Amino acid sequence: GAGVSQSPSNKVTEKGKDVELRCDPISGHTALYWYRQSLGQGLEFLIYFQGNSAPDKSGLPSDRFSAERTGGSVSTLTIQRTQQEDSAVYLCASSLELAAYNEQFFGPGTRLTVL
Amino acid sequence: GENVEQHPSTLSVQEGDSAVIKCTYSDSASNYFPWYKQELGKGPQLIIDIRSNVGEKKDQRIAVTLNKTAKHFSLHITETQPEDSAVYFCAASEGNTPLVFGKGTRLSVIA
Repeated sequence: GAGVSQSPSNKVTEKGKDVELRCDPISGHTALYWYRQSLGQGLEFLIYFQGNSAPDKSGLPSDRFSAERTGGSVSTLTIQRTQQEDSAVYLCASSLELAAYNEQFFGPGTRLTVL
Repeated sequence: GENVEQHPSTLSVQEGDSAVIKCTYSDSASNYFPWYKQELGKGPQLIIDIRSNVGEKKDQRIAVTLNKTAKHFSLHITETQPEDSAVYFCAASEGNTPLVFGKGTRLSVIA
């Protein structure tokens, strides 16, 4: 079956513009996660969804970042007024349930470049 | 909250040698410890995991050991091959919360 997909694969934008990143999780997976990976760095946890609900938004770097999930499926991560420090690969993952011992399946990521 | 430290950040080994990556965690309530492998241009992929009720788990050339008293766990790769070259991430969780990842180890296997 299909894995986690993300679009676009690459996004180049100008400083100050808004961007929207999309994640399509594996069908039936109730938990969805967003991470940020800067060049050569580790996985910075941003936010997770259990169904359509995001119980903890404290991982989002600033109030320019927001995320939503509708219908228990597709999720979008929106970055408003992008800054150069937002340049990174944004990874999405999904798992069958939230409990950590459920394997997280990652998408290929969206590489965001802010000029 | 949980904090996971991972060492070393980079590791180079000769093909055929063994590689060991170590992680420590801070939350004694953590009971699940997976390892993920990230190849270039791809998302991380689970390669092995261990729960706190066992001390060691093996899967062919890879093994993970856990020392709950010392709060550390390690990934062991034997007979390394060029295709083992990747970034490896350890993680920890107490089960009902999202994984907390280490900062990763870039492993290079030199042919």
